[in-house]
Amino acid sequence: NAGVTQTPKFHILKTGQSMTLQCAQDMNHGYLSWYRQDPGMGLRRIHYSVAAGITDKGEVPDGYNVSRSNTEDFPLRLESAAPSQTSVYFCASSYQRRIDGYTFGSGTRLTVV
Amino acid sequence: AQKITQTQPGMFVQEKEAVTLDCTYDTSDPSYGLFWYKQPSSGEMIFLIYQGSYDQQNATEGRYSLNFQKARKSANLVISASQLGDSAMYFCAMREVVGFSGSARQLTFGSGTQLTVLP
Repeated sequence: NAGVTQTPKFHILKTGQSMTLQCAQDMNHGYLSWYRQDPGMGLRRIHYSVAAGITDKGEVPDGYNVSRSNTEDFPLRLESAAPSQTSVYFCASSYQRRIDGYTFGSGTRLTVV
Repeated sequence: AQKITQTQPGMFVQEKEAVTLDCTYDTSDPSYGLFWYKQPSSGEMIFLIYQGSYDQQNATEGRYSLNFQKARKSANLVISASQLGDSAMYFCAMREVVGFSGSARQLTFGSGTQLTVLP
């Protein structure tokens, strides 16, 4: 099925450990972004990419890295996890016109202990 | 300053009645898009409805309609004939141009409204 695939769905990480959240889309969307969702704060953008090889920071980029080597994949890396990074993470993709809404992945619930 | 404001953290509505979820926005971009998403307890984000800043008529999608008042910068979601399955978190979002290239069309979300439909 076409869409945005996120893995894993759940993960528990120890403080200081690293991990990569995976995001893959098969709709040929140029625009990919990572959001985190925290209670009472809606969704906040972490990093985004408008095309392969181009990434930029969003609203809350500290502690996260991204890369975009091709159109389909947009992994999010936590180099040294902190408890403040406990959140639900969403990857979202779209075309780049204003009328285009986002297609969201199913989310990754990450707990840092 | 908040770009998207949803002032109702929680709302209750009786089944089969209509409910309005409020959303106000702030932008200096003359061309923008407004979206509503539904997030049920399962966690996925479901697109509901879209309104463009130049659209003359209010958007409608089935039981969902968007009451767009451009001068007031409001984009309220109206759900008619509420159903138990409408119980969920609802997010208002705005897509506008940022940056010189115009290529980074950020979607900014409000904090959400938790709707509970009562039987």
